[in-house]
Amino acid sequence: DQQVKQNSPSLSVQEGRISILNCDYTNSMFDYFLWYKKYPAEGPTFLISISSIKDKNEDGRFTVFLNKSAKHLSLHIVPSQPGDSAVYFCAASGSGTYKYIFGTGTRLKVLA
Amino acid sequence: EAGVAQSPRYKIIEKRQSVAFWCNPISGHATLYWYQQILGQGPKLLIQFQNNGVVDDSQLPKDRFSAERLKGVDSTLKIQPAKLEDSAVYLCASSLEWNFSYEQYFGPGTRLTVT
Repeated sequence: DQQVKQNSPSLSVQEGRISILNCDYTNSMFDYFLWYKKYPAEGPTFLISISSIKDKNEDGRFTVFLNKSAKHLSLHIVPSQPGDSAVYFCAASGSGTYKYIFGTGTRLKVLA
Repeated sequence: EAGVAQSPRYKIIEKRQSVAFWCNPISGHATLYWYQQILGQGPKLLIQFQNNGVVDDSQLPKDRFSAERLKGVDSTLKIQPAKLEDSAVYLCASSLEWNFSYEQYFGPGTRLTVT
């Protein structure tokens, strides 16, 4: 039972354009969400988080949007840069567990 | 600030052999996690420690996997005996506390190949 889903295994975007990575979840008890970026041969690196009390969180070029009714979150990268090329994982945790369930990842390729 | 350290980075063993991985978390982080990441999948939590006590090991295959965190700092994860399906990257992560949604910081991982 995949509670956190990233249905797009890969995405290609031109440099300077917007990258939108999507994540869906099934467990309504999830209330904290993270995005991680992973380069080859490295561990995942924390990127941005959002709590369920918010519907948007921004950090520089990165913005995460949360739609609780749709159980959907998205990561927007504007403008996209070649250095953003990596695998992006979303992760979710539920109140009282603080255990993260990860999605399968989306490989982003930003074309110069 | 030094990051999460893991060793070895790569390991190749034959099935039925044993293997051990080591992790040193970020200084001051009370919570330590071991994840298994199979190719094409997201990391899956195996075990979570708070200091030297186990918070969650519900997904640890206890018939072959064991983990310990002596003195609440370093941790080792052992597999004995290994199976082909254990081939994966084993990630260690740490965070300040477990009972709040603090971000987790990951080490580079150990890539295990079981032949």
